[in-house]
Amino acid sequence: DADVTQTPRNRITKTGKRIMLECSQTKGHDRMYWYRQDPGLGLRLIYYSFDVKDINKGEISDGYSVSRQAQAKFSLSLESAIPNQTALYFCATSDFKEPRATFFGQGTRLTVV
Amino acid sequence: AQTVTQSQPEMSVQEAETVTLSCTYDTSENNYYLFWYKQPPSRQMILVIRQEAYKQQNATENRFSVNFQKAAKSFSLKISDSQLGDTAMYFCAFMDSNYQLIWGAGTKLIIKP
Repeated sequence: DADVTQTPRNRITKTGKRIMLECSQTKGHDRMYWYRQDPGLGLRLIYYSFDVKDINKGEISDGYSVSRQAQAKFSLSLESAIPNQTALYFCATSDFKEPRATFFGQGTRLTVV
Repeated sequence: AQTVTQSQPEMSVQEAETVTLSCTYDTSENNYYLFWYKQPPSRQMILVIRQEAYKQQNATENRFSVNFQKAAKSFSLKISDSQLGDTAMYFCAFMDSNYQLIWGAGTKLIIKP
């Protein structure tokens, strides 16, 4: 089983719908991240959390919200999806003892039509 | 703000050849980390190699090595004896003092049989 699991792997949704992407990890890491990948732009940070009570905005947080339900779970929500949120979304984790080692989930391909 | 630039959107070489992918970055920090990640068609982000800025010796991992030129802010990846399985997107990334990753736009590498 993967150490960082994202669900769903692929999702098509309609404009205006609320959608949640989920991430769970078994690595015991305290830090979790949500990134967005667009062609030609690399990955950009949406939100990150250093522990359950710590949530921080990243470079492109507008239109997104997150919830850290437990140390192992970090979900990303799009309250009202729009077509330009069509992208590949990655969850990642790292440990405060070794913050340079970042582990990624397999990505969620989201299409907003 | 830190930036990472990969000037080669796409490259292709014959199997067994050596290929070098370029990456430049901009930062005012003195201590940082640099990474190369591989993203095959499976979408998984795989760490290829990392370099600590305070280490002058270039990092090496089997067929993968880097040419780190700190003064020039250059961090190129050399793949020796390229294999078909090396076909992927390659991303250069910079980790700042807050342990956040800043990504380049990626280089698509195609290894031809």
